[in-house]
Amino acid sequence: NAGVTQTPKFQVLKTGQSMTLQCAQDMNHNSMYWYRQDPGMGLRLIYYSASEGTTDKGEVPNGYNVSRLNKREFSLRLESAAPSQTSVYFCASSLAYEQYFGPGTRLTVT
Amino acid sequence: AQSVAQPEDQVNVAEGNPLTVKCTYSVSGNPYLFWYVQYPNRGLQFLLKYITGDNLVKGSYGFEAEFNKSQTSFHLKKPSALVSDSALYFCAVRDGRTGTASKLTFGTGTRLQVTL
Repeated sequence: NAGVTQTPKFQVLKTGQSMTLQCAQDMNHNSMYWYRQDPGMGLRLIYYSASEGTTDKGEVPNGYNVSRLNKREFSLRLESAAPSQTSVYFCASSLAYEQYFGPGTRLTVT
Repeated sequence: AQSVAQPEDQVNVAEGNPLTVKCTYSVSGNPYLFWYVQYPNRGLQFLLKYITGDNLVKGSYGFEAEFNKSQTSFHLKKPSALVSDSALYFCAVRDGRTGTASKLTFGTGTRLQVTL
């Protein structure tokens, strides 16, 4: 039981490049989330998926897209990366109340 | 809109002393409240939650938190701190109304430093 896994762990992009962050959970959770963590700002919700087949915007969705591929997988795509998207990205999943987090992806955009 | 305030960026405590990390919240309806801990270069780990019932909730690693509705607070406590408790602590809140996904709002975090 691996919990929530994220790939890659680290990534460096140039401005304008695109990439997809992958997330998978093996806990049979219905809901999945993408957050970004920036110093002094806590975690901010980018997008979430309440259940398979649905996605909704969170607090900071601009510049991102998501896909809930199936119940296990929820990907986050940056179509044209900007330096402001330099951050640590966390995926999480939940069944009822508490959320369970992956180890994070550290993304740097130069 | 829901919000969380963690008024202290850092809390310093000596090992063996009690610790308190403060959290206040604002939310419509009944709050669901959570504490998470983050160790360096790791994801967040769930510590404890308040959903309903007893105002004092106990969680992992000897931590507990007290829900105070009148003061809209949910302070994290531990009777005797350990050096290994040094980490970043986040308080989070969600709207308790049913039918919504568990959209958490996090505080900005409090760094706990426990020294010998």
